[in-house]
Amino acid sequence: EVLLQQSGAELVRPGSSVKISCKASGYTFTDYYMHWVKQRPEQGLVWIGRINPANGNTVYAEKFKSKATLTADKSSNTAYMQLSSLTSEDTATYFCTLGAGRYFDYWGQGVMVTVSS
Amino acid sequence: DIQMTQSPASLSASLGETVTIECRASEDIYSNLAWYQQKPGNSPQLLIYDANSLADGVPSRFSGSGSGTQYSLKINSLQSEDVASYFCQQYNNYPPTFGAGTKLELK
Repeated sequence: EVLLQQSGAELVRPGSSVKISCKASGYTFTDYYMHWVKQRPEQGLVWIGRINPANGNTVYAEKFKSKATLTADKSSNTAYMQLSSLTSEDTATYFCTLGAGRYFDYWGQGVMVTVSS
Repeated sequence: DIQMTQSPASLSASLGETVTIECRASEDIYSNLAWYQQKPGNSPQLLIYDANSLADGVPSRFSGSGSGTQYSLKINSLQSEDVASYFCQQYNNYPPTFGAGTKLELK
């Protein structure tokens, strides 16, 4: 069974950074891209980017190129997303997700990041 | 980026009713469209992919159709557990983009 277990909720200060994790199990970690998606409260879904865990290659949505950094650790089957220079606009739930196709079969439970002083 | 326009934004329907949600793409996406269901406090769950293929474990009362720029999700015989938000997503081009969502409630 494919499982994506994400780290816990974060409360962070404006201007700081946060790194959230997504531990994968139930499949070969390097076989599928890991994607990240943002969802602000009561709003829609926005694709942030994806990483190829096999070689670390990344693709980002234009608006997240300076905001998000995706990495992956093959030794622990864990993907990470670091968000920098946080503002209230970054308050959201962040999901890791993957699929065999370019749609998303499996989702983590989400990490709520709250940016507040 | 391809814009996905989803309608209606909210919908109220009775148990047993048939419900249809529409999604229009800003350009032809060649049936590279998925639908997701998201219940409050949960992550999205895949319902439909390739515009009309049912994902594993999804009840047959859900169906998808469409082509080109126009797509729809139909729910036959609405059940109480179908109360959720529904999103379409195109994956024909990068970046993948989602519709704004439809919130389905019981009347």
